[in-house]
Amino acid sequence: QSVLTQPPSASGTPGQRVTISCSGSSSNIGSNYVYWYQHLPGTAPKLLIYRNNQRPSGVPDRFSGSKSGTSASLAISGLRSEDEADYYCATWDDSLSGHVVFGGGTKLTVL
Amino acid sequence: QLQLQESGPGLVKPSETLSLICTVSGGSISSSSYYWGWIRQPPGKGLEWIGSIYYSGSTHYNPSLKSRVTISVDTSKDQFSLKLSSVTAADTAVYYCARVRIVVVPVPEFDPWGQGTLVTVSS
Repeated sequence: QSVLTQPPSASGTPGQRVTISCSGSSSNIGSNYVYWYQHLPGTAPKLLIYRNNQRPSGVPDRFSGSKSGTSASLAISGLRSEDEADYYCATWDDSLSGHVVFGGGTKLTVL
Repeated sequence: QLQLQESGPGLVKPSETLSLICTVSGGSISSSSYYWGWIRQPPGKGLEWIGSIYYSGSTHYNPSLKSRVTISVDTSKDQFSLKLSSVTAADTAVYYCARVRIVVVPVPEFDPWGQGTLVTVSS
C-alpha cells in the first residue's frame, strides 16, 4: 500500500489528452514539491516533472504537472504511442524524520 | 556528462547481506548540491526508495527498511554503496542508484539514474 495513491491504469487514443492523479496528505504533497517519472520497461526511470510543474530540458511541453492542496496531476496532451509507459509520482514526506515516498504507479496504455 | 553505474552480485542467498556499489563518473560525488540515492523495483511492482546519502555521510532511510539498510560513501573513489541485511525473496528487485537534488531536504529529484541491476534472492 503506497503512501501516495495513483490509479493503477489509464488509457487514451493518439492525440487525446489524459491526466493521471496522485493523492497524498498534508505531511507529503501538502507541504512539499511533487515529482513525476516515466518508466519504460527495461530502462531506468526518467524524470519528467520536477518541483510540481517544471520540465527538465528535453521533455516535450506535451507533459505538464500541477498541484493543489494534497493532490497532484500529470497531464499528457497530444498523446503518442511512445507515451505508453508506467508513470510514478513522488514527494518528500515530513513524518518519521523525513523520507521519500512514491505512488504505486499508473500504467498508461495508448489505444 | 555525469554517469552512474551499479555493480555487485546478481544472486544472494536468503538471510545473507546484499551489497551493491554505485560508481559515479563524469563528476564528483563531493558536490554540496546533491545527495546520492538507491531506489528499487521488485518484479511486477512499483518503485521503492531505499535511502540517500550526502558526501559527508549524512543519511536518510526508508523507515520500512531502516533496520536492515546501511548506505555509505567513499569520496576517494566517487562511490557509494548499499548493504541490505537478512534478505528474503521479497528483496528480489532491480536496484537503481541515482543522483538526488537537495531542496532543503533530499527531495525525490533523481537524475541521472544508473541503468539498474537485478538482484535475485534465492538459495
